[in-house]
Amino acid sequence: KAGVTQTPRYLIKTRGQQVTLSCSPISGHRSVSWYQQTPGQGLQFLFEYFSETQRNKGNFPGRFSGRQFSNSRSEMNVSTLELGDSALYLCASSLASSGTGNYGYTFGSGTRLTVV
Amino acid sequence: KQEVTQIPAALSVPEGENLVLNCSFTDSAIYNLQWFRQDPGKGLTSLLLIQSSQREQTSGRLNASLDKSSGRSTLYIAASQPGDSATYLCASNHFGNEKLTFGTGTRLTIIP
Repeated sequence: KAGVTQTPRYLIKTRGQQVTLSCSPISGHRSVSWYQQTPGQGLQFLFEYFSETQRNKGNFPGRFSGRQFSNSRSEMNVSTLELGDSALYLCASSLASSGTGNYGYTFGSGTRLTVV
Repeated sequence: KQEVTQIPAALSVPEGENLVLNCSFTDSAIYNLQWFRQDPGKGLTSLLLIQSSQREQTSGRLNASLDKSSGRSTLYIAASQPGDSATYLCASNHFGNEKLTFGTGTRLTIIP
């Protein structure tokens, strides 16, 4: 059974550029969440999608956006990159359907983004 | 606003010892409590999920307990091995919300 797949694994971008990260959830999982992990702030919730709809959003500026496709794959986009956006971006998928939060989460290996 | 704390931030123990990792949360109205491990530079591996109606879960040498009234969860690791060295994170969520709130983690080192 394939796990959560994130691509690419590593990215180096220049300040001001934009970047798109991809996440393919476990087959049958329709909820996809994104997290940012930095040494200073730990793991911070970005947003969660279910059936192509954003259900929850964390406290991040509008430069951070995402979307989910009909096959449940999700992308995350960061525009006008800043040095502080350097982080490990993690995607998680869940069987959650009605938003009860009653299921556990499976995480991908992450995308390491470095902004120079 | 939920706050999750893990103390200590780092722990070193000799191989073979049993150990307990602690997780405290401020809002007892959590729905689930999940424990993860993270190896350096890697993603999160789920260890145990305790749903709100449960008090504990076991998997192999791992046992996690949940006491909502006191706002605490513990992860017990029996007969520790060098391969258990990693950062351990706990995370909680509330009913109707898929957002996980993570603790800051405990970095565990098992000394051979």
